[in-house]
Amino acid sequence: TQLLEQSPQFLSIQEGENLTVYCNSSSVFSSLQWYRQEPGEGPVLLVTVVTGGEVKKLKRLTFQFGDARKDSSLHITAAQPGDTGLYLCAGANAGNMLTFGGGTRLMVKP
Amino acid sequence: NAGVTQTPKFQVLKTGQSMTLQCAQDMNHEYMSWYRQDPGMGLRLIHYSVGAGITDQGEVPNGYNVSRSTTEDFPLRLLSAAPSQTSVYFCASSNARPGRTSSYNSPLHFGNGTRLTVT
Repeated sequence: TQLLEQSPQFLSIQEGENLTVYCNSSSVFSSLQWYRQEPGEGPVLLVTVVTGGEVKKLKRLTFQFGDARKDSSLHITAAQPGDTGLYLCAGANAGNMLTFGGGTRLMVKP
Repeated sequence: NAGVTQTPKFQVLKTGQSMTLQCAQDMNHEYMSWYRQDPGMGLRLIHYSVGAGITDQGEVPNGYNVSRSTTEDFPLRLLSAAPSQTSVYFCASSNARPGRTSSYNSPLHFGNGTRLTVT
């Protein structure tokens, strides 16, 4: 089983602060995705990173794939209450399976 | 488009009972999968299917059966429910298999989940 470990598990910050969420594994993935999930709903894709060292930006969110394609990070600049939710990373390999990390629950207080 | 529809939204079972969680998608996706979500453990893959008539096991398949007789439907069966199966179950579909180049722009589309309690 390929394990994806996310840290921190919980994060509570004030509006306007910056934060970084990490997703680490000892395995290499062909691609890595980040999802966001709100209560009572299924996860929704934010971004897919494919190339080692790749950086993608989505407004105030910056995603980076590690050079060795084993880890990734999500950085949020000037967090807002609307960013509150569960953030999940998921790694794909050639085996037709998408493996999810344990998630980071973010709360942004106004 | 309805997307991925899961029924029921909530279910309570007694230990030993059986039931089927329904999942239907109207996007003509070949790939479908079932996950369970427990606190602090993210989503764990139970079973998946790459097309009608083809199913395979994921990370935690024990106690669950699936079938894929049509492209649209992918039901999950619990043959004899156990308290350890108390969880939130998500069905997801995609028009590409994870890990394939074609999946890079084809995300998993999730249903809104079924919350199952086994007493």
